[in-house]
Amino acid sequence: IAGITQAPTSQILAAGRRMTLRCTQDMRHNAMYWYRQDLGLGLRLIHYSNTAGTTGKGEVPDGYSVSRANTDDFPLTLASAVPSQTSVYFCASSGGRGDADTQYFGPGTRLTVL
Amino acid sequence: GQNIDQPTEMTATEGAIVQINCTYQTSGFNGLFWYQQHAGEAPTFLSYNVLDGLEEKGRFSSFLSRSKGYSYLLLKELQMKDSASYLCAVRDSNYQLIWGAGTKLIIKP
Repeated sequence: IAGITQAPTSQILAAGRRMTLRCTQDMRHNAMYWYRQDLGLGLRLIHYSNTAGTTGKGEVPDGYSVSRANTDDFPLTLASAVPSQTSVYFCASSGGRGDADTQYFGPGTRLTVL
Repeated sequence: GQNIDQPTEMTATEGAIVQINCTYQTSGFNGLFWYQQHAGEAPTFLSYNVLDGLEEKGRFSSFLSRSKGYSYLLLKELQMKDSASYLCAVRDSNYQLIWGAGTKLIIKP
């Protein structure tokens, strides 16, 4: 089934630990994005990648890093997790022809940092 | 700064019509999107407006006025399954989406 997958679905993590959230899409979209969603706030962009091999910083990049080695995968790494990184993380991709560059979202990862 | 405003919560009755408003102030404008998000799920695309006017898609319609920085999503013949949050997002001059906090729509029988 075409779309975006994320792993894990949920995770409880001790503060100070390193964590990588995985995101894979099979739609051959050029652009990919990582957002966090917190109660009462809109989705906030963490990092993005317009094409394989390039990445950029979004609104809230501190404490996070990304890589884009190929078109399909866009992992998000928390080098040393802190409680304020407790959130729901969504990966998205865009780049379909004729669809106004609409972003399509993965199912999300619910992360709790204790 | 950039800002997207939507009501936090709205309540409507099954079978009725509801209008969810969105006002925006952004650095540039390259289109406005509406997404639906059921609790615990991912946002899913509903509509896109880049020119002024009304876009109709089944029971859902979306309107845009660029001069007023205003959009609305109109939902007709409400069904219980329409209970969800509705997110407004504007694509700015950097081609990034700026998101509103969402409007939680509660449908009552």
